[in-house]
Amino acid sequence: DGGITQSPKYLFRKEGQNVTLSCEQNLNHDAMYWYRQDPGQGLRLIYYSQIVNDFQKGDIAEGYSVSREKKESFPLTVTSAQKNPTAFYLCASSKQGPVGETQYFGPGTRLLVL
Amino acid sequence: DAKTTQPPSMDCAEGRAANLPCNHSTISGNEYVYWYRQIHSQGPQYIIHGLKNNETNEMASLIITEDRKSSTLILPHATLRDTAVYYCIATAGGTSYGKLTFGQGTILTVHP
Repeated sequence: DGGITQSPKYLFRKEGQNVTLSCEQNLNHDAMYWYRQDPGQGLRLIYYSQIVNDFQKGDIAEGYSVSREKKESFPLTVTSAQKNPTAFYLCASSKQGPVGETQYFGPGTRLLVL
Repeated sequence: DAKTTQPPSMDCAEGRAANLPCNHSTISGNEYVYWYRQIHSQGPQYIIHGLKNNETNEMASLIITEDRKSSTLILPHATLRDTAVYYCIATAGGTSYGKLTFGQGTILTVHP
C-alpha cells in the first residue's frame, strides 16, 4: 500500500534533549512537508523540501532542523532550542506540479515534554 | 495565499446533505480552492479542489461561485464518520508553492 508513515505515534522528550521524528513515503513524491498543530488550532508549516538535498524554512522553523538525503525520507529534529515543543506533528508529501499539488498526510506524531 | 473565512461550527443530520460554506473574497486568478478534513487526532485528508468550474468526486462536490469569491463543499449524504474539522484553503504556486495555510476550519458534527 502506498502512503506516508510517521513514527513513533507518541514521543516523550526530557528538558534539553533533542528528538527526531521519522517520516517516510513510498508515493514517489518529490515534495515533503512538516507541520505543527497545537490544540484547537490549524496547521503551521515548519519546513518543506521540494527536492532531495534541498529544503526551505516555513513559518515557524526556529528550534527545528531537517534533512533530505533520500527522496523517501524527511526526518524532523526538535532541538533543545525549541522551548515549547509539545504539539501534534504532521508530515505530508506531494508531487511536483505547477500549482499547489494535493498534499497527502501521515498519521502524525504527538510530542510531549516530561 | 488568499485568506479564507469559514463558520466555526455546523451541525447536520445523518443521511442529509452537509453544505459547508467558505468565503475567499480576495482570491487571485491563479489560486485554487482546496478542501481538506481532519478527523480527531488524525492527519488531514484531501477531499477535493477546483479553480473555476464545479467539481465532483466520490467524496464530495465543490461549487464555486462565478466571481470565485466563495465556494461550498457538499457532502451529499452525511454519515457519523464525516464528523471532522473541514478546512478551506486557497493556494497557488510560485513563491507559495506547496504551502497550505490552514485556518481554524469548520467543525462539522453529524448527529443521528
